This record gives sequence, C-alpha cells and structure tokens, in this order.
Amino acid sequence: SQTIHQWPATLVQPVGSPLSLECTVEGTSNPNLYWYRQAAGRGLQLLFYSVGIGQISSEVPQNLSASRPQDRQFILSSKKLLLSDSGFYLCAWSPTGKGYTFGSGTRLTVV
Amino acid sequence: AQSVSQHNHHVILSEAASLELGCNYSYGGTVNLFWYVQYPGQHLQLLLKYFSGDPLVKGIKGFEAEFIKSKFSFNLRKPSVQWSDTAEYFCAVNAGDTGRRALTFGSGTRLQVQP
Repeated sequence: SQTIHQWPATLVQPVGSPLSLECTVEGTSNPNLYWYRQAAGRGLQLLFYSVGIGQISSEVPQNLSASRPQDRQFILSSKKLLLSDSGFYLCAWSPTGKGYTFGSGTRLTVV
Repeated sequence: AQSVSQHNHHVILSEAASLELGCNYSYGGTVNLFWYVQYPGQHLQLLLKYFSGDPLVKGIKGFEAEFIKSKFSFNLRKPSVQWSDTAEYFCAVNAGDTGRRALTFGSGTRLQVQP
C-alpha cells in the first residue's frame, strides 16, 4: 500500500536560520507531489508541485524553494526563514489527480 | 487559474440542526471537486468527491454534496449534525483537463456544534 512520510512533526526555528522539510512516498512510482502551507486562520495554499524528478513548479513567489532529487522524495527548503514562514506545512501526493493523500504535516514556528 | 470561495468562515449550530456549507469555484473547464474535513489535531480527511455522473454525491459520516454546474457550486450538506462534526471543512477543486492536477482549496469553514 502507498504511504507518505513527512518529518519533522514540529519545528521551532529562529529568524534567519535555514529550513529543510522532507517528504517521502512509498508504494508508488512517478507520483505528482505537492507542498501546501496553512497559515493561522487561513486555508491551504499550494506552494510547489512536481510532476517528475527535477521538475518543480512554484505557485507563489516567496522565501521558499523545493527540490525533487528522487522520484519519491520532495524537499522544502529555505536559506533564511522569516517570521511569516510560520505555519503548518503539508506534503501530498496523487497518482492521477483524482485522489490525494496528505502527510501528517509539520508545524513550523519561526521565532 | 482556478479559485475557490467558501463564504461561511465560522458556523455555529446546535446538535440535530441541518448543515449547508457553501462552496463556489471559478474555472471554465472540467473540474474535479472535493470536500475535506480536518478534526482538531488530526490530518485532512476526504469526505467526498465528484468527478462526473450523478451530481449528488454521498460521502462518509452522512455528508452529501451537490454539484450545480450552472452555479459553479458544490455545497456540502448534512441533515442532522452531531457534536462530533465539530471541525474545519475545506472545499477543493482541481482542473480535470490539465496536467497540473493540483488542488486549489477554499479558505475553510470552521463548524462548531454545540451539544
């Protein structure tokens, strides 16, 4: 069966520090992968999506970047965190666009 | 690009009351439609989805939604809510005719059911 792993679950980072959140998928190949962010009091905002290795599309200009070094690995990064980067980050995957599986999320607090 | 509007940001109901949460989307092409629920401290869960066919779809826990193409709407309904339905509800769409296949979410509706 397919599973999705996302870590860490919570993270507290100082302003200006780097960030790396990792998401891996098991039990499937060539999935579409997505990073979403849910800021406090707001809905889910699509940050990045990837349809294949090395293929990243950015939805919102921001302080973050994403990479897909392997088929089932999706990484969200930042060189220098801002206070506004705080939020709940969700990784998701979909084989066809008609079903999505979400990770358990990472709650990031930038202090 | 698609967009999704959920006009009810916070809804408070008593148990056994009927529920209808509004969802409108903007996109001129084929869409796939979803409702997700997020219970306090838990992950997003799929309530129901519509791809094609019967515009009235039934999901888990007694929820249903009706796709009205002419109104670009996909409202969520439940005849009688329970205290355990307290959660945040998200409507989402993706464009069925593009390769992007990313979900666009509404801002969510926080439902509070009072016993």
